[in-house]
Amino acid sequence: DQQVKQNSPSLSVQEGRISILNCDYTNSMFDYFLWYKKYPAEGPTFLISISSIKDKNEDGRFTVFLNKSAKHLSLHIVPSQPGDSAVYFCAASALGGGGADGLTFGKGTHLIIQP
Amino acid sequence: GAGVSQSPRYKVAKRGQDVALRCDPISGHVSLFWYQQALGQGPEFLTYFQNEAQLDKSGLPSDRFFAERPEGSVSTLKIQRTQQEDSAVYLCASRGQWSSYNEQFFGPGTRLTVL
Repeated sequence: DQQVKQNSPSLSVQEGRISILNCDYTNSMFDYFLWYKKYPAEGPTFLISISSIKDKNEDGRFTVFLNKSAKHLSLHIVPSQPGDSAVYFCAASALGGGGADGLTFGKGTHLIIQP
Repeated sequence: GAGVSQSPRYKVAKRGQDVALRCDPISGHVSLFWYQQALGQGPEFLTYFQNEAQLDKSGLPSDRFFAERPEGSVSTLKIQRTQQEDSAVYLCASRGQWSSYNEQFFGPGTRLTVL
């Protein structure tokens, strides 16, 4: 039973436009959410995170939105650049609530930025 | 070093062989994690260390999997009597003491292929 779901295996976006990657979760104990970016043959790279007490966190071109009532978060990349082509993983943590230290990951979304 | 390093990067084993995978975390990081990533999936938590203490091993799939971190720095994940279903990328991650969002920093992984 997947607790973190990324329902789009892939997404194609034109360079310069906005990329929106979605993530849904089922465990209401999750209190931190993180996005990771992964290139082939490399480990995941931490991108941005958000606490469940916030609904938005912004870092340069990257913004994460959290809708706690819908158990949904999204990552916005504006403007999209060719170097953004990678697999993006949504991850969740229940650490703040005394839960496990391990992260729970979705299956990932392969973002392809087209020139 | 600046980041998490893992060795070997690639390992081919015959079914039934034992393997040992090494992880060097970021200097000063007390927390260390092991994840398993099967093809087309997100990373799945295996085990967690705080210094030399293994505090959570709930994700280890069987008693053939064993992890240690005897001096609180380098860690080794050992898989005994490897099976074909053990083929995956094994990722190591470390976390700083003052992380507020459970940000974990990943190594490049070891790709294990069991023939």
